[in-house]
Amino acid sequence: DAGVTQSPTHLIKTRGQQVTLRCSPKSGHDTVSWYQQALGQGPQFIFQYYEEEERQRGNFPDRFSGHQFPNYSSELNVNALLLGDSALYLCASSSTRQGAYQPQHFGDGTRLSIL
Amino acid sequence: QKEVEQNSGPLSVPEGAIASLNCTYSDRGSQSFFWYRQYSGKSPELIMSIYSNGDKEDGRFTAQLNKASQYVSLLIRDSQPSDSATYLCAVVSRPHKDDKIIFGKGTRLHILP
Repeated sequence: DAGVTQSPTHLIKTRGQQVTLRCSPKSGHDTVSWYQQALGQGPQFIFQYYEEEERQRGNFPDRFSGHQFPNYSSELNVNALLLGDSALYLCASSSTRQGAYQPQHFGDGTRLSIL
Repeated sequence: QKEVEQNSGPLSVPEGAIASLNCTYSDRGSQSFFWYRQYSGKSPELIMSIYSNGDKEDGRFTAQLNKASQYVSLLIRDSQPSDSATYLCAVVSRPHKDDKIIFGKGTRLHILP
């Protein structure tokens, strides 16, 4: 049973560039959430996708956008990269169909470094 | 602003002793609580979930929830060096599709051999 998979593992970009991160949820999960984790901090919620729509969003600017595909996989896009965007980006999946809030399972993350 | 607070540590505990990790939350309507373990450079791993007042035990781990006092704790019995990690407390206000999970900043636990 495959868990949550993310790609790429590491990424180096320069200021002003754009980046796309990818996530495949755990088998049987239909909901994908994205988090940003800076060094020494807890994960900060970016947004959540369900049924191909963004249904909840954290306090992140519009430079952060996403998408969910019919197969439940998801992408996180960040435009106009800033030095402060350097962080570990985590994808977590869960099941909404199973009813009351189900715990999230995390992928290994993408380490994004902005030069 | 909903908040989840944890002591950042580090919390140093001798091997074989009980490690006690605490978490407080601000939203009295919170109903779902999770503990995640995160090793350095790795992603969080779910170790416990608890939804009702009282204790929940799973192996060496016990989660304790007190909704009246708005705190949740994690006890680790017979601490092992492999338990050294950052422990994240996570809270969801309501088991509803519009809610998001809020994480604390985590407590660093160091088990002394």
